[in-house]
Amino acid sequence: EAGVAQSPRYKIIEKRQSVAFWCNPISGHATLYWYQQILGQGPKLLIQFQNNGVVDDSQLPKDRFSAERLKGVDSTLKIQPAKLEDSAVYLCASRTGLLSGANVLTFGAGSRLTVL
Amino acid sequence: EDQVTQSPEALRLQEGESSSLNCSYTVSGLRGLFWYRQDPGKGPEFLFTLYSAGEEKEKERLKATLTKKESFLHITAPKPEDSATYLCAVVGGGTYKYIFGTGTRLKVLA
Repeated sequence: EAGVAQSPRYKIIEKRQSVAFWCNPISGHATLYWYQQILGQGPKLLIQFQNNGVVDDSQLPKDRFSAERLKGVDSTLKIQPAKLEDSAVYLCASRTGLLSGANVLTFGAGSRLTVL
Repeated sequence: EDQVTQSPEALRLQEGESSSLNCSYTVSGLRGLFWYRQDPGKGPEFLFTLYSAGEEKEKERLKATLTKKESFLHITAPKPEDSATYLCAVVGGGTYKYIFGTGTRLKVLA
């Protein structure tokens, strides 16, 4: 089966500019996650979708980050305006199964953001 | 609050030198514990899922074990291609969030 697709793979922007990342999960996976991974750290959950509804966005900096999942398939994560500390890899992951299950997350290759 | 701590942060082994990585966790109602491997510039790749204390899983040179407080990833006779960052994650019954540790960076020298 095709994996989780993400784009762009790399993005360099100036602080205060905006950027958007796109994710296409594995077909049929109802649950989609965006994680932020700063160099040398583990992935930190930003937002979780179940179909096109938000399940958890408690750690999303809502003053600058936004995410949507239209039609319950593709998802977009936007940062506006970007800060230096937003430099990180943004990982998208998806899984099948019930919201209450503990199933395997499948990750994309990530989008590496550098803010200058 | 659910928490995952991995140790050591970094580990250098000679080829063939066996060792273990540790993942300690505190979670309300463990639903599952996951081990992932992450190579530079790539997303995490799934290795194992463990669901209950006493469970063990094996794959090639890797063996994962689980107790009520921690999990170990045992690496037997490692090869240079085992060099990667190994991540541990838990899912608790309260929130169903996947909480990751900071990982162990493993380097195996030929």
